[in-house]
Amino acid sequence: ILNVEQSPQSLHVQEGDSTNFTCSFPSSNFYALHWYRWETAKSPEALFVMTLNGDEKKKGRISATLNTKEGYSYLYIKGSQPEDSATYLCALRSRGTYKYIFGTGTRLKVLA
Amino acid sequence: NAGVTQTPKFQVLKTGQSMTLQCAQDMNHNSMYWYRQDPGMGLRLIYYSASEGTTDKGEVPNGYNVSRLNKREFSLRLESAAPSQTSVYFCASSLGGSDQPQHFGDGTRLSIL
Repeated sequence: ILNVEQSPQSLHVQEGDSTNFTCSFPSSNFYALHWYRWETAKSPEALFVMTLNGDEKKKGRISATLNTKEGYSYLYIKGSQPEDSATYLCALRSRGTYKYIFGTGTRLKVLA
Repeated sequence: NAGVTQTPKFQVLKTGQSMTLQCAQDMNHNSMYWYRQDPGMGLRLIYYSASEGTTDKGEVPNGYNVSRLNKREFSLRLESAAPSQTSVYFCASSLGGSDQPQHFGDGTRLSIL
């Protein structure tokens, strides 16, 4: 069974701070890695889909990088705002399957 | 835009009762998924359907069955509900390519007494 690990489990930062989280995964048979943002009482929403080693994606103040050879992805938030408070999930898809394995998420709380 | 629609939103069952959770998407997506979400466990895949006419087991399929009724609809059935199946259930869909994200429904909160 593949194991996708996210760290830290939870994080409190002050408004304006920059922060980053890690998603670690087995590097063999890599096909795609997704990042999702999940606000309380809502459903997960896709942030990034990453498929190539060295990929860097950006959406506003949020960006992500991917290293498939060593099996990790970083999510960065620059100048955190209270509205960034959410759980951030990563999900791995391996080659030859349509299944996704999710990490347990990083819960971010941005304090005003 | 409806996206992925799940019904019902909430349900309480007694142990041993059966129930079908419905999911429909209007985005012409090929792949559909059922997940359960439990505290501290993240999203765990129950079953998925890569395309119309196919279904496969995920990480936690025991106690569940699924039907891909057509391209739009993917239902999840609990034949004999157990308290361990108390959870929030999410349906998701995707075009299916490596660069395509999943789109999630709003979830069904299911309690089994």
